[in-house]
Amino acid sequence: DAEITQSPRHKITETGRQVTLACHQTWNHNNMFWYRQDLGHGLRLIHYSYGVHDTNKGEVSDGYSVSRSNTEDLPLTLESAASSQTSVYFCASSGTLQETQYFGPGTRLLVL
Amino acid sequence: GDSVTQMEGPVTLSEEAFLTINCTYTATGYPSLFWYVQYPGEGLQLLLKATKADDKGSNKGFEATYRKETTSFHLEKGSVQVSDSAVYFCALSENSYDKVIFGPGTSLSVIP
Repeated sequence: DAEITQSPRHKITETGRQVTLACHQTWNHNNMFWYRQDLGHGLRLIHYSYGVHDTNKGEVSDGYSVSRSNTEDLPLTLESAASSQTSVYFCASSGTLQETQYFGPGTRLLVL
Repeated sequence: GDSVTQMEGPVTLSEEAFLTINCTYTATGYPSLFWYVQYPGEGLQLLLKATKADDKGSNKGFEATYRKETTSFHLEKGSVQVSDSAVYFCALSENSYDKVIFGPGTSLSVIP
């Protein structure tokens, strides 16, 4: 069955370190998205991509970057982790023409 | 910009009670509207959606009607079960497959 996976599921890191969260989907979807979930804010869009080599900034992109070298993967990098980036991160993907988004299981990140 | 407002939680109901979770939105165009559900420890799942005015989305006994005149998309269920305990997110998107703007979420607890 097609799916979307995220790794790691849990991560503890220190302030200032670089961290990369992986997202992999097997639907061959063109569109991929990264959100963060914080209490009282729902999910907020960090970055998104409409295809290979395409990336766009979302609402809360500062301190994050993404790259899209193939259809299946959209890794999210925190260049220099900050405590304000402690959150739960969700990856999502969608195809085109009326398909909805499918979400991964999430990565819980703690920055100490 | 576009935004979604939901009623504050948490909401606690007894089993078989009637559920309403209010949702209103602000959008410049004619968005698609969604309800997503997040069960404890899991990612988000699409519960239902409506893509145009007066459409009714329904799934698992939940319903919501796209009301353009009141810019609302309230979630209802006639008889909740303990298994409905989760966080519910109202959301909108300019297209069904594109980036999604989420409300803050409403936590529902159903007690036996």
